[in-house]
Amino acid sequence: LAKTTQPISMDSYEGQEVNITCSHNNIATNDYITWYQQFPSQGPRFIIQGYKTKVTNEVASLFIPADRKSSTLSLPRVSLSDTAVYYCLVGGDPREGSQGNLIFGKGTKLSVKP
Amino acid sequence: KAGVTQTPRYLIKTRGQQVTLSCSPISGHRSVSWYQQTPGQGLQFLFEYFSETQRNKGNFPGRFSGRQFSNSRSEMNVSTLELGDSALYLCASSLEGRAYYGYTFGSGTRLTVV
Repeated sequence: LAKTTQPISMDSYEGQEVNITCSHNNIATNDYITWYQQFPSQGPRFIIQGYKTKVTNEVASLFIPADRKSSTLSLPRVSLSDTAVYYCLVGGDPREGSQGNLIFGKGTKLSVKP
Repeated sequence: KAGVTQTPRYLIKTRGQQVTLSCSPISGHRSVSWYQQTPGQGLQFLFEYFSETQRNKGNFPGRFSGRQFSNSRSEMNVSTLELGDSALYLCASSLEGRAYYGYTFGSGTRLTVV
């Protein structure tokens, strides 16, 4: 599975847009990019997934350039409740299954201040 | 619908003892995966069960074992506990074990070994 690199931490203020970039230089052709969010003492929660270009849902957007060697999670107008650790995962085609083996990196600890 | 339920939420054990943790997946989900989370190592995959069979296993010693019942509920057992086994143990359920977007995590069991 492709190794990912993310900033260890980021700070932001309420109402700002936050962009967290993940580097995955060795991404394979059939790899998808997925982001999870984790609050303290809770399990990770799926946020968004994409393969190329841009994906948007009700909570975030995911931007993936043409070479797919990086991706950016964009959180619009963050609030205090968005303070969490964000993980970028890269791996196989979700249609084929990964048999439970999600590879989590260290993640990015986002702190949102009032 | 009900989420993934893990019991107990907190547990304190003594070195050398054994412990059993329980995970009830989302109704209809047949895949259950287990993860260990520690501050030093982050989230690490333990094993995955699908339809009562262990389908994938991470790099953990044989003291860590698990099983899955016909109703998809899963248990994880750790024998001869060591101080380093203190961690948050998370389980994730999935309909078919499809990668990444299909996984729902529980809130975990916080195990403290003294």
